[in-house]
Amino acid sequence: EDQVTQSPEALRLQEGESSSLNCSYTVSGLRGLFWYRQDPGKGPEFLFTLYSAGEEKEKERLKATLTKKESFLHITAPKPEDSATYLCAVHYGGSQGNLIFGKGTKLSVKP
Amino acid sequence: DTEVTQTPKHLVMGMTNKKSLKCEQHMGHRAMYWYKQKAKKPPELMFVYSYEKLSINESVPSRFSPECPNSSLLNLHLHALQPEDSALYLCASSQSSGENEQFFGPGTRLTVL
Repeated sequence: EDQVTQSPEALRLQEGESSSLNCSYTVSGLRGLFWYRQDPGKGPEFLFTLYSAGEEKEKERLKATLTKKESFLHITAPKPEDSATYLCAVHYGGSQGNLIFGKGTKLSVKP
Repeated sequence: DTEVTQTPKHLVMGMTNKKSLKCEQHMGHRAMYWYKQKAKKPPELMFVYSYEKLSINESVPSRFSPECPNSSLLNLHLHALQPEDSALYLCASSQSSGENEQFFGPGTRLTVL
């Protein structure tokens, strides 16, 4: 049973078309939820950490939010350079400090 | 300095070769990690070092041998690998092996012939 589920698997947007990526989790005792961006053949780039429900973080066109069951990564007016795979990961009480990753959402933004 | 560096960027090796991957960070982090990532899959944890001691080994075959010479360096020694071991190998570090965010290096693309 997946503990971290990301949807959709792939998302195609036109430049300027805002949307949201979802990360739902079923773990108990969440200690942190992390968003990363990964470009092909490169290491994941850290974006945000969220620790508690109601928390929000923003960076340029990205905004991450957290509830007790899921997190959203909102992308406002995306540009082609936002195209990448976005990974969600969690630390929880039973993970021994390890990151448990979702399978990612591949975002493509067309000009 | 918020960078994790990895060398080499690319590595091609035969099944009888011995090679090493290197990782370095100068952020004062006390936890370092090795991950393996296959195409279109998320990173898969291999090893965790906390304060230079191996704390987690996720049932990785013995042909992969990690080493942490000091708090800034992490090596992964490779011997008698199989073609299915071809992947992107990622190093990461964090302040401690708790709930802190992990910072990843660019990875080493390994091809086993």
